[in-house]
Amino acid sequence: EAQVTQNPRYLITVTGKKLTVTCSQNMNHEYMSWYRQDPGLGLRQIYYSMNVEVTDKGDVPEGYKVSRKEKRNFPLILESPSPNQTSLYFCASSHGGDYGYTFGSGTRLTVV
Amino acid sequence: QKEVEQNSGPLSVPEGAIASLNCTYSDRGSQSFFWYRQYSGKSPELIMSIYSNGDKEDGRFTAQLNKASQYVSLLIRDSQPSDSATYLCAVEKGSARQLTFGSGTQLTVLP
Repeated sequence: EAQVTQNPRYLITVTGKKLTVTCSQNMNHEYMSWYRQDPGLGLRQIYYSMNVEVTDKGDVPEGYKVSRKEKRNFPLILESPSPNQTSLYFCASSHGGDYGYTFGSGTRLTVV
Repeated sequence: QKEVEQNSGPLSVPEGAIASLNCTYSDRGSQSFFWYRQYSGKSPELIMSIYSNGDKEDGRFTAQLNKASQYVSLLIRDSQPSDSATYLCAVEKGSARQLTFGSGTQLTVLP
């Protein structure tokens, strides 16, 4: 089944403890993105990638890192999480063109 | 000015009616336009894409694009209670296919 898989689905962590949210797609998509979704603010792009080793900042990149060493994987790294990074995170991938982006199921992160 | 703006709603329509959702965008360089549906607690799901001026129909859904007015709309005919969700307008630009979302319109279809 074609899908974008994020892990974990839920995560509660403490301020300053490094964490990684994994994202993997099995559709051989070139384009991948991370978004966060907050009430009243909608979906905001954190980072995006147009291919292996090509990544760039989105609208809200502060406090996040990404890497794209393989085409299928695009992990999101929070080196020192803070409470304002409590949010719902989505990974998405696209082949481009008519197909738009396919989203993962989301990761609900709480930083205390 | 926000890059992508939608009527925040909420919008309520009776079952069987036409629901009309609107979106404007600010960047004339935008090349592709999408409508996503998001049920509460779920991930966005693509329902329509449109690139050229005019209408594009898919079942009960019709997307309309007017690049001169920088306006995109979605019509849902014969609305069903199962259509109750938040509808997100998204605009794509650039070689990296950056996708920017509006804040969404919450639609409720009343039985």
